[in-house]
Amino acid sequence: NAGVTQTPKFQVLKTGQSMTLQCAQDMNHEYMSWYRQDPGMGLRLIHYSVGAGITDQGEVPNGYNVSRSTTEDFPLRLLSAAPSQTSVYFCASSSFVTGWGTPYGYTFGSGTRLTVV
Amino acid sequence: AQKITQTQPGMFVQEKEAVTLDCTYDTSDPSYGLFWYKQPSSGEMIFLIYQGSYDQQNATEGRYSLNFQKARKSANLVISASQLGDSAMYFCAMREGRGGSNYKLTFGKGTLLTVNP
Repeated sequence: NAGVTQTPKFQVLKTGQSMTLQCAQDMNHEYMSWYRQDPGMGLRLIHYSVGAGITDQGEVPNGYNVSRSTTEDFPLRLLSAAPSQTSVYFCASSSFVTGWGTPYGYTFGSGTRLTVV
Repeated sequence: AQKITQTQPGMFVQEKEAVTLDCTYDTSDPSYGLFWYKQPSSGEMIFLIYQGSYDQQNATEGRYSLNFQKARKSANLVISASQLGDSAMYFCAMREGRGGSNYKLTFGKGTLLTVNP
């Protein structure tokens, strides 16, 4: 089924460890983004990309790196995990051609629940 | 200043009654889109309804309607005939402007709706 696939669904890390959260979409969407969701904070944008080779920071980028080498993939890297990065992470994508101004513009992944101990 | 404000952290409603979830937004851009998402306890983000800034009529999708008051910068979600399955977190979100860099979604902090039998 077409959509956004996030892996893993759950992860426990020790402080200082690094890891990569994977996000892949098969809809040829130009726009991809990462959000973190914390209780009482809603979803906050970490990084986003408007196409292969183009990335930019969102509201809470510190401690995270991204790259976009292909249209399909947008991995999120935690360089040195901290307890403050314990959160649920969502990847979302959208199409410039059909996305803007349409109600179904965004497709969300199912989320990754990350715990840093 | 917050771009999306949801002032009700939690709401209770009796089954079969209607409920209004509040959302106010802040933007100086004449082109924007407003979204409502539902997040049940299972965690996925479910799109409910969309309102474009140039739309003349309030959006409706089944039991969901959006009370769009542009001058007040208000986009309240109305759920008619509440069902037990409506119990969930509800997020209001906004996308501003046009163009690739303006595909960012800004979320409110959410309202937790509980439907009582």
